[in-house]
Amino acid sequence: DQQVKQNSPSLSVQEGRISILNCDYTNSMFDYFLWYKKYPAEGPTFLISISSIKDKNEDGRFTVFLNKSAKHLSLHIVPSQPGDSAVYFCAASQTSGSRLTFGEGTQLTVNP
Amino acid sequence: GAGVSQSPSNKVTEKGKDVELRCDPISGHTALYWYRQSLGQGLEFLIYFQGNSAPDKSGLPSDRFSAERTGGSVSTLTIQRTQQEDSAVYLCASSLDTGRYGYTFGSGTRLTVV
Repeated sequence: DQQVKQNSPSLSVQEGRISILNCDYTNSMFDYFLWYKKYPAEGPTFLISISSIKDKNEDGRFTVFLNKSAKHLSLHIVPSQPGDSAVYFCAASQTSGSRLTFGEGTQLTVNP
Repeated sequence: GAGVSQSPSNKVTEKGKDVELRCDPISGHTALYWYRQSLGQGLEFLIYFQGNSAPDKSGLPSDRFSAERTGGSVSTLTIQRTQQEDSAVYLCASSLDTGRYGYTFGSGTRLTVV
């Protein structure tokens, strides 16, 4: 039962353009969402998060949007840079829970 | 230390042998998690330790897998009689509290069973 899904295993964009990574979830109890970024041979690092009481959170070039009715969130990176090339994981948690549930990840490649 | 430390970084073992993977969490972090990432897959939860509470072992895939956390700090994940499907990157993470607001990962141990 995959409660958090990232349907695009890969995404390729040109430097300077917008990258949009998508994530869907099925568990309506999830109320906190996070994005992690992972480079090869390194552990995932926290990027940005959003609470279910908001529909948007912005941090520099990174913005996360949450659509609760659609159980969908997205990460926008603008402008994209080659150093953004990595695997991006979507994760979710719930108030009564004690851990994060992760999606399968999306490999982003930003071409110079 | 400043971050979550895992050892070894790489481990190649023969099928049927036992392996131990070590995780040294951030000092003061009460919660510790083990995840694994198989090739082409997402992060799969294995086990969670929180303080002195009984661990949440609900993610362990079989009874060949076990983990302990001594003194509320260092954790060891043990895989007995390894199988080829155990090949994966094993990631440890720690957090100050429940972790639902995010945690810090180590660099992982890449386990290859041949």
